[in-house]
Amino acid sequence: DTEVTQTPKHLVMGMTNKKSLKCEQHMGHRAMYWYKQKAKKPPELMFVYSYEKLSINESVPSRFSPECPNSSLLNLHLHALQPEDSALYLCASSQESGEQYEQYFGPGTRLTVT
Amino acid sequence: AQSVTQLGSHVSVSEGALVLLRCNYSSSVPPYLFWYVQYPNQGLQLLLKYTSAATLVKGINDFEAEFKKSETSFHLTKPSAHMSDAAEYFCAVSGYSGGYNKLIFGAGTRLAVHP
Repeated sequence: DTEVTQTPKHLVMGMTNKKSLKCEQHMGHRAMYWYKQKAKKPPELMFVYSYEKLSINESVPSRFSPECPNSSLLNLHLHALQPEDSALYLCASSQESGEQYEQYFGPGTRLTVT
Repeated sequence: AQSVTQLGSHVSVSEGALVLLRCNYSSSVPPYLFWYVQYPNQGLQLLLKYTSAATLVKGINDFEAEFKKSETSFHLTKPSAHMSDAAEYFCAVSGYSGGYNKLIFGAGTRLAVHP
């Protein structure tokens, strides 16, 4: 099973709202990732967790707050977002964070900020 | 630093024709290379990966890619296109950027398949 699940599938939120995105994998992977993808562009890395610790933050604004409660779960907490944050948010996981390990992606959450 | 260039942002083929999507990489060390496909409104699905075990890599759905070090290329091919192959394809290299390992994606190639 190489499935990464993400909820919700779609999310519409106002600029003053607080919401969370959820990602789950049961492959025993120890590295998990958040990406942001704008239309007609490749995914952009936001955060990397390795063994439940934040290892990479790609200079993401503080209105995005990641959390890794356990090795299977990854959350992305959203607060005071801007319309330009509207995008597809993808979660991925890999066995480890090393370069030889392929990443498996979830279906994404389509976020619209109004 | 590693990088990937995908030649052709749009490729159009007829159903049953050969699919060729081009990817060139830049890397100072032996690279780990990947091809991903993204269908509309979906996440990325791994098609295949190169990890130096063999230069010809076979993936899912009859796709394959050949690693050519002399040409720094990793082009993706499929002998016969299906309508269901219409999607966005991303080539990626796993490498170090900014001091840590990350997947570095090409800009993507949109494949259209015509009846």
